[in-house]
Amino acid sequence: AQRVTQPEKLLSVFKGAPVELKCNYSYSGSPELFWYVQYSRQRLQLLLRHISRESIKGFTADLNKGETSFHLKKPFAQEEDSAMYYCALPPSGGYNKLIFGAGTRLAVHP
Amino acid sequence: DTGVSQDPRHKITKRGQNVTFRCDPISEHNRLYWYRQTLGQGPEFLTYFQNEAQLEKSRLLSDRFSAERPKGSFSTLEIQRTEQGDSAMYLCASSSQRSGRTDTQYFGPGTRLTVL
Repeated sequence: AQRVTQPEKLLSVFKGAPVELKCNYSYSGSPELFWYVQYSRQRLQLLLRHISRESIKGFTADLNKGETSFHLKKPFAQEEDSAMYYCALPPSGGYNKLIFGAGTRLAVHP
Repeated sequence: DTGVSQDPRHKITKRGQNVTFRCDPISEHNRLYWYRQTLGQGPEFLTYFQNEAQLEKSRLLSDRFSAERPKGSFSTLEIQRTEQGDSAMYLCASSSQRSGRTDTQYFGPGTRLTVL
């Protein structure tokens, strides 16, 4: 069965430090992976999807099929990056729902 | 605001009562999803509609849960005979169908249910 694992519940860094939020997955076939973010008092929203190969708000994520990982990275964290981050993927053969990890809270301190 | 809206935002009920939640998706979106989120967990899929058809239901959705989308626009999620274990945030999301790729889902603010 498909599964998304985010091993860290909390990641605490200082402003300007690099950030890496870990996401590992189990999947049969070629997965399509997403990062969703929820800022304080806001709704869950898409941050980026791997097929877009975009950098959003300075964040990037590379799909590593060998390590079955899709880690989210940013070279210099900002205080406004503090939020809950969820990694997600659709189940094998289906596009119409998402399986989410448990989430990682990123706290960026001044 | 033209995003996904949910009503009510908070609901406190006593065990055994029935509750109903409403979701209004983004107007041009033909797909609608319900998820449940408990403390410390990510959202878990409950059910999915394409237009008015309910195409998938999770095994999490017991017989006490029912969802409708009667005209392919808003949706309701009803929980009958609520239990304390039903306490959670209920999230609605909508999307526009994209061929061969996973849709970007747009989430509502959620309805927080507390069962006493």
